[in-house]
Amino acid sequence: QLQLQESGPGLVKPSETLSLTCAVSGGSITSSSSYWGWIRQPPGKGLEWIGSIYYTGNTYYKPSLTSRVTISVDTSRNNFSLKLSSVTAADTAVYYCARHRRGLSDPLHLWGQGTMVTVSS
Amino acid sequence: DIQMTQSPSTLSASVGDRVTISCRASQSIAIWLAWYQQKPGKAPKLLIYEASTLEGGVPSRFSGGGSGTEFTLTISSLQPDDFATYYCQQYNSYSPFTFGGGTKVEIK
Repeated sequence: QLQLQESGPGLVKPSETLSLTCAVSGGSITSSSSYWGWIRQPPGKGLEWIGSIYYTGNTYYKPSLTSRVTISVDTSRNNFSLKLSSVTAADTAVYYCARHRRGLSDPLHLWGQGTMVTVSS
Repeated sequence: DIQMTQSPSTLSASVGDRVTISCRASQSIAIWLAWYQQKPGKAPKLLIYEASTLEGGVPSRFSGGGSGTEFTLTISSLQPDDFATYYCQQYNSYSPFTFGGGTKVEIK
């Protein structure tokens, strides 16, 4: 069955770029209608959608993060990635990757376990 | 952005209780609303989509209702496994998708 697993540094310095990868196993990232997303959750707080991508590379970002976010897909490695530039302490959060249920305008029905990223010098 | 407001933020209940959580959207989202359950240290789990459709494998004691701007999640008979935080999410507009602030269901 399809599984997602986030990976990347757990500590990032302020003003640097946060980089995470989500490995998709048990299925192809190029499956029809498969949109893939990143969501984050600051400690003790709620969920925030960051952006989503289709395997063709079409991306959709939260408008307030557009200037700092890049989501990309690597079909040869069956994974997709998140880069968030110029990070501050406010970007400290658990970062989740997830798959939209059927298409972009559909909820997130399969999630990775999440990875904690702390922004600190 | 479409704002999603959940109430209450915390709910204390006992096993066997009927529990209802509310979610209000700042503008109409038709039926494009999902509910998630999240336990400490775990990823959210999709429970309900299209306001009232149960995701596969979700117990039938969970039900969702509403349309437009007012929605509810009801647990008909609270079980020990149901103590968790619940989030609503609108997916009517992906610019951006937005979540409610969460409702923590605690043991009374």
